[in-house]
Amino acid sequence: EAGVAQSPRYKIIEKRQSVAFWCNPISGHATLYWYQQILGQGPKLLIQFQNNGVVDDSQLPKDRFSAERLKGVDSTLKIQPAKLEDSAVYLCASSLASQGGNYGYTFGSGTRLTVV
Amino acid sequence: QKEVEQDPGPLSVPEGAIVSLNCTYSNSAFQYFMWYRQYSRKGPELLMYTYSSGNKEDGRFTAQVDKSSKYISLFIRDSQPSDSATYLCAMGKDSNYQLIWGAGTKLIIKP
Repeated sequence: EAGVAQSPRYKIIEKRQSVAFWCNPISGHATLYWYQQILGQGPKLLIQFQNNGVVDDSQLPKDRFSAERLKGVDSTLKIQPAKLEDSAVYLCASSLASQGGNYGYTFGSGTRLTVV
Repeated sequence: QKEVEQDPGPLSVPEGAIVSLNCTYSNSAFQYFMWYRQYSRKGPELLMYTYSSGNKEDGRFTAQVDKSSKYISLFIRDSQPSDSATYLCAMGKDSNYQLIWGAGTKLIIKP
């Protein structure tokens, strides 16, 4: 079974620039999550999709972050404009069930973003 | 107070030792308890999963849940240098998809 694919692996941008991350979940996984993990902290949920609909985006800074999941498969997370505090690893995860607590998540390797 | 507390470490032990990793939590509604292992520059991977209370064993790993004390543990027997990683606890409720995460404990196994 192929895992969750993410790209790019690393990205360095200047503050106020824009950046986009891409995620391809495991085939058949209806639920997709974007997490932000700051160094030394646990993952923080940014947004959850069920198929191509948003289930929860309450912690997504909507003035600068946006995400979409076209056709219920791949997803893109965008930051515009980036701030220094956005430096983190952005993790994509997918799960079989809408209740990730039932089965756990499968994570990608993440995109490490550095904003300078 | 955070919903899930986890000592960030680092915890350094010699190879072959028994390792004990712990998390405490405050929300009695949590029913699902998980341990994830995260190697450097990798995403977390599910290691152990427990529903409600009790113990679960898988090879060298044992997960324990004590709901009365709101305390979960992960034990690693015969620890190996390859076990060196950050271990994250995560937990969820029956009716809620979200997992609440601990900050992770960095474990170092010295050869």
